[in-house]
Amino acid sequence: DIQMTQSPSSLSASVGDRVTITCRASQGISNSLAWYQQKPGKAPKLLLYAASRLESGVPSRFSGSGSGTDYTLTISSLQPEDFATYYCQQYYSTPPTFGQGTKLEIK
Amino acid sequence: EVQLLESGGGLEQPGGSLRLSCAASGFIFSSYAMSWVRQAPGKGLEWVSIISGSGSSTYYADSVKGRFTISRDNSKNTLYVQMNSLRAEDTAVYYCAKSHTVGATYNYFDYWGQGTLVTVSS
Repeated sequence: DIQMTQSPSSLSASVGDRVTITCRASQGISNSLAWYQQKPGKAPKLLLYAASRLESGVPSRFSGSGSGTDYTLTISSLQPEDFATYYCQQYYSTPPTFGQGTKLEIK
Repeated sequence: EVQLLESGGGLEQPGGSLRLSCAASGFIFSSYAMSWVRQAPGKGLEWVSIISGSGSSTYYADSVKGRFTISRDNSKNTLYVQMNSLRAEDTAVYYCAKSHTVGATYNYFDYWGQGTLVTVSS
């Protein structure tokens, strides 16, 4: 199975900040990476797929990049509604696997 | 509008069985693979199982293989998972999730249900 490692596990930031979350795969995944946002008590929501493609309806302040084994999610200017937990997921091979999550908290 | 509504969760004793259902609407159900993904209390997301759009292909996480069976009824737009030999470590919120494609491999999940809680305890 491909292991996905996110960093940091938690992050404190302020409204308006630019933040970056990193996801590293245990082997190359050829941009087969999705990012999800989850708020407490809610289901995950797809933000990006194919490493950098924005899901319909997701604000453009979210962006993704990377290649090979290393990928990033960037939020260009944090909004109050962005404070949540973020997960990466590889779909290069079965089983699909998730990172452990990054909790983004208000500073 | 895509809607996924899970049901069937509850409290079950270790060794017992439960069947979860997920009623889908707002899309052509048979054209998409469907998955179950679970989240233990305070923990991250764990993929459980997937079934192709036709139902001909299925895959399972090692943690549930031989105990859980995924199925679907395309005439009823409903996804199921039969969970047998339940263990305390199966305690989680179980989400059904729609895949972006019909096949059971190379999937990400573009819509999720609200989840149903399964608690395994004596």
